[in-house]
Amino acid sequence: GAGVSQTPSNKVTEKGKYVELRCDPISGHTALYWYRQSLGQGPEFLIYFQGTGAADDSGLPNDRFFAVRPEGSVSTLKIQRTERGDSAVYLCASSKDRAGELFFGEGSRLTVL
Amino acid sequence: GESVGLHLPTLSVQEGDNSIINCAYSNSASDYFIWYKQESGKGPQFIIDIRSNMDKRQGQRVTVLLNKTVKHLSLQIAATQPGDSAVYFCAENNPGGSYIPTFGRGTSLIVHP
Repeated sequence: GAGVSQTPSNKVTEKGKYVELRCDPISGHTALYWYRQSLGQGPEFLIYFQGTGAADDSGLPNDRFFAVRPEGSVSTLKIQRTERGDSAVYLCASSKDRAGELFFGEGSRLTVL
Repeated sequence: GESVGLHLPTLSVQEGDNSIINCAYSNSASDYFIWYKQESGKGPQFIIDIRSNMDKRQGQRVTVLLNKTVKHLSLQIAATQPGDSAVYFCAENNPGGSYIPTFGRGTSLIVHP
């Protein structure tokens, strides 16, 4: 595709619900990153995929957060038992390789009521 | 001038002036640095990068300076335009681990016509 695509662009959910956020990276990009951005802050790293495998998940805040990339392209970030503190913009980025320029999507804004 | 706002440091300039945005990075082992621009409601967009074996790199209307001694980066924007109004982030890549870009807090640039 032309750029990184993220869906949904906005998601409002209730505390305790399950949420999935989807990222469709640029075709051919092997590296995929998830970041979380709160208001007034820089993007905070969550997880990095190289191909199908999670090469670094050290940024996931707890075991309620999980991400997959089963075919090395589209990735899904899954959040169980959402809490109000999970409210943020979740950004996905892809790059040709791990040391290259990151191309970001426009983000999925999650609001937990 | 430059001031610290409630959420982000803010730099206000007049159209046509030169802007200088500063960033202190945290890890002396970082060897790759990137400046990103983020407009409201969008994901960060790559502006310019620099490797640690360089002190200066120029792009179109932008220059990045790197001072490794004091772990400081700056982004200079020449002839600032209203379209330059955005939040600017520096990011550093540490060769240890997965080489994940780590973002700073950001500076809000406001350009007055």
